[in-house]
Order: sequence, then C-alpha cells, then structure tokens
Amino acid sequence: DGGITQSPKYLFRKEGQNVTLSCEQNLNHDAMYWYRQDPGQGLRLIYYSQIVNDFQKGDIAEGYSVSREKKESFPLTVTSAQKNPTAFYLCASSIIAKSTDTQYFGPGTRLTVL
Amino acid sequence: GENVEQHPSTLSVQEGDSAVIKCTYSDSASNYFPWYKQELGKGPQLIIDIRSNVGEKKDQRIAVTLNKTAKHFSLHITETQPEDSAVYFCAASKGAGSYQLTFGKGTKLSVIP
Repeated sequence: DGGITQSPKYLFRKEGQNVTLSCEQNLNHDAMYWYRQDPGQGLRLIYYSQIVNDFQKGDIAEGYSVSREKKESFPLTVTSAQKNPTAFYLCASSIIAKSTDTQYFGPGTRLTVL
Repeated sequence: GENVEQHPSTLSVQEGDSAVIKCTYSDSASNYFPWYKQELGKGPQLIIDIRSNVGEKKDQRIAVTLNKTAKHFSLHITETQPEDSAVYFCAASKGAGSYQLTFGKGTKLSVIP
C-alpha cells in the first residue's frame, strides 16, 4: 500500500524530555510537512522540506527541530523548549510540480506531556 | 500573510438535507483551495479542491464554488448521510511553488439520522 505512516499513534512524555515523532512516505513525494493541531483549531505549519537535506521553518517552529536525510523520511523532534507540546501532530507530503500542490496527510500522532 | 476564516464552527443537519460551509480568504494571490474531511482521531482526507481558473467543481454529492472577486469559497454537500459527520477544513494557498496551505479552523458537521 502506498501512503504516509506516522508512529507511534500515541506518545507520552515527561516534562523536560525531548521526543521524536516518525513520518515515512512511500509515495515518492518530494515535499514533506509537519503540522500541529489543537482542539478547535486549524492546522498550523511547523516545518516543511522540499528536498533532501533542506527544510524551512513554518509559522510555529520554536521548540521543534527536523531533519531530512532521506526522501521518504521526515522526523520531528519536540524539544524541552516547546512550552506547550501536548497536541495532535500531522505529517503530510506532496509532489512538486507546476500543476499541483495537493498535500496528503498521515494518520497523526497524539502527544501528551505528563 | 494569508488568513482564512471558516463558518459555521458547528453545523447540524437532518439526514438527507444539504449542508453548506463557507470560507473567506484575504490574499488575492491565493489560487488553490482544497477541502479536507477529518474523522475523529484520524488525519485529514482531501475530498475536493478547486483552482482559481474554475468557478465550480462537483464530485457526486459534493461541490465547491469559488468567488474570486469576493474572495470566498464554499463546500456544498447534498443528500447528507450519517457517515458525512466529521470535521471539515478549508484551506488556501498560492499554488504550485508556494507549498504552504493556510487552514480555516474547521466546521464540525453532525448529520442526524
């Protein structure tokens, strides 16, 4: 099956700890994205990457870090500097072409800070 | 930057009735407008999208209309069914090359059997 996988589905973290969320896609998409979703809110962009070894900050990058060492993988690290990390995190991907920019989403990871 | 407003935040309809969700955007350069459906605990799924060179697009019971002059676009669901119950998000972007979607805050649609 082609698609985007995120793991784990649920993640619990103690305050002061860093945690890494996994995102893998086998769609051969060039671009990958991380969004944060809070109750009653839309999706807010954390980071995005259009090519391996390159990424850009989104609207709420503070307290997060990413890497893009492989085309199919875009892990997100939530650091202890993120003041309110409890949220639903969504990874997405898209091809890069003049004719389309449709983003497809993974199933999400729910992070809870204890 | 772009700002997308979505209304209403909640919507309840009787099964078989129509549902309409409206969004407005602020940046006249935006030219791509997707709609996503999100079921509880899952990731958003694209259900329909429209580009600024088209005024309306239909896919079975779902349609989207776009008014570029007024900078608003709407999702229409006809003959609603209980499985249409979900949260719907609109979004806007400046199209290929921009890669950044700005989302509305979502509409929780409840279809009452």
